[in-house]
Amino acid sequence: EAGVAQSPRYKIIEKRQSVAFWCNPISGHATLYWYQQILGQGPKLLIQFQNNGVVDDSQLPKDRFSAERLKGVDSTLKIQPAKLEDSAVYLCASSLRGGVDGYTFGSGTRLTVV
Amino acid sequence: AQSVTQPDIHITVSEGASLELRCNYSYGATPYLFWYVQSPGQGLQLLLKYFSGDTLVQGIKGFEAEFKRSQSSFNLRKPSVHWSDAAEYFCAVGASGFGNEKLTFGTGTRLTIIP
Repeated sequence: EAGVAQSPRYKIIEKRQSVAFWCNPISGHATLYWYQQILGQGPKLLIQFQNNGVVDDSQLPKDRFSAERLKGVDSTLKIQPAKLEDSAVYLCASSLRGGVDGYTFGSGTRLTVV
Repeated sequence: AQSVTQPDIHITVSEGASLELRCNYSYGATPYLFWYVQSPGQGLQLLLKYFSGDTLVQGIKGFEAEFKRSQSSFNLRKPSVHWSDAAEYFCAVGASGFGNEKLTFGTGTRLTIIP
C-alpha cells in the first residue's frame, strides 16, 4: 500500500511569512496526526483528527497554527506568521484505528525560518 | 500525564557488538509501548510494539525489547549491530482511549556505529 505522503519536503521562509504543509494519509486511515520535531528532540503532537473532526489540539499554538482535514482525507497545517522557533520537521502520521496498530509516518517537511 | 525518558542522548558501539538502548516510561495504566527508528532525513519507522502478553517482543531488523513493569522500562536490544543501524531511536508510550490513542515520544538516542 502507498505510504503517508507529505509535501513539500523542504521549505525555507522568512519570519513573519506564512507557510502550509500538506499530508495525504494511507487510504482508509481514519486518524491523522501532525507532529512537530525540533532538532534534538522527540516528536511532539500538535493536533489529532478522527475523520474530519479534531480530537486533540491542546498543544497547537492556535494564535499562529491552524489545521484542517478536508472530507476526512487530506490535511493541511498552516503557520501564519512564522517565528524562528517554528524551525522543525513537521511529521504527518495516520492510523487505521486510532493508534492501536501503531502509526505510519510520512517523511516529513523540514521547515527553516530565517 | 504520560512521559518517556531516554537517558542516553548518544551511544557509540562497534560493529558486531551488542546494543541496549534504555527507555523508562511513566503511565498510570498498562501502557502501549513502541520503539521507532529514524534515519537522517527520513520519517519514523516502527521497529516493534508491546500491548500485552509476552514481555519479550521481537521486531524488525533483528531488534527485540523487554517490558519490565516493576522497573517501568522497555529497553531495546540487538545482539550484533550492523553499520546500517546507525540512526536515531525513539521510545514512545501510547495512551489508550477507544481509538483515540496518541503517542508521547522520548527525546531519542542517537546511535553511532564504528568499524
